Amino acid sequence: DGGITQSPKYLFRKEGQNVTLSCEQNLNHDAMYWYRQDPGQGLRLIYYSQIVNDFQKGDIAEGYSVSREKKESFPLTVTSAQKNPTAFYLCASTLREGENTIYFGEGSWLTVV
Amino acid sequence: AQSVAQPEDQVKVAEGNPLTVKCTYSVSGNPYLFWYVQYPNRGLQFLLKYITGDNLVKGSYGFEAEFNKSQTSFHLKKPSALVSDSALYFCAVRDISNDYKLSFGAGTTVTVRA
Repeated sequence: DGGITQSPKYLFRKEGQNVTLSCEQNLNHDAMYWYRQDPGQGLRLIYYSQIVNDFQKGDIAEGYSVSREKKESFPLTVTSAQKNPTAFYLCASTLREGENTIYFGEGSWLTVV
Repeated sequence: AQSVAQPEDQVKVAEGNPLTVKCTYSVSGNPYLFWYVQYPNRGLQFLLKYITGDNLVKGSYGFEAEFNKSQTSFHLKKPSALVSDSALYFCAVRDISNDYKLSFGAGTTVTVRA
């Protein structure tokens, strides 16, 4: 089946640890995105990438890092510098040109313990 | 800068009644407008979009939305709501002059009571 796969669904992190959230898509989409969702605040853009080996900071990039070595993969690392990482993280993708819809994965819950 | 506002945190309607979820936007160029729905602990599901053409857009599950350029609004509507429509709804705008970034509103929780 075509789609966007995020893993793990639930992840627990200890204070001071880095963790990496996986996002893979087999839709042949050019652009990929990471959003963070907190209750009552909607979705905020962390990073996005429109082509391989290139990415841009979104509105809340501090404490996060990404890579785009392959078209189908866009992993997000939540570093220890992110002071409040507990949130629901959503990966999305779209074709770069035109009015194409952005499609979302099922999300990953990250909790700091 | 682009932005989206959903003025209502919550909307409650009785099953069978019309449902409206409000959205206004601000972009520098021409907007692409989207509505998404989210069920608990799930990703966002695409409902419908406005790109150009007819101001009334029809989408999934009986939803429709009306684009109003003068009021910069894109309200979501459903003539007869179902209990299963209870969910979190997001309006989003994509500014084609701004790297195709998608900006979301804060979301509106819809509750449809039986």
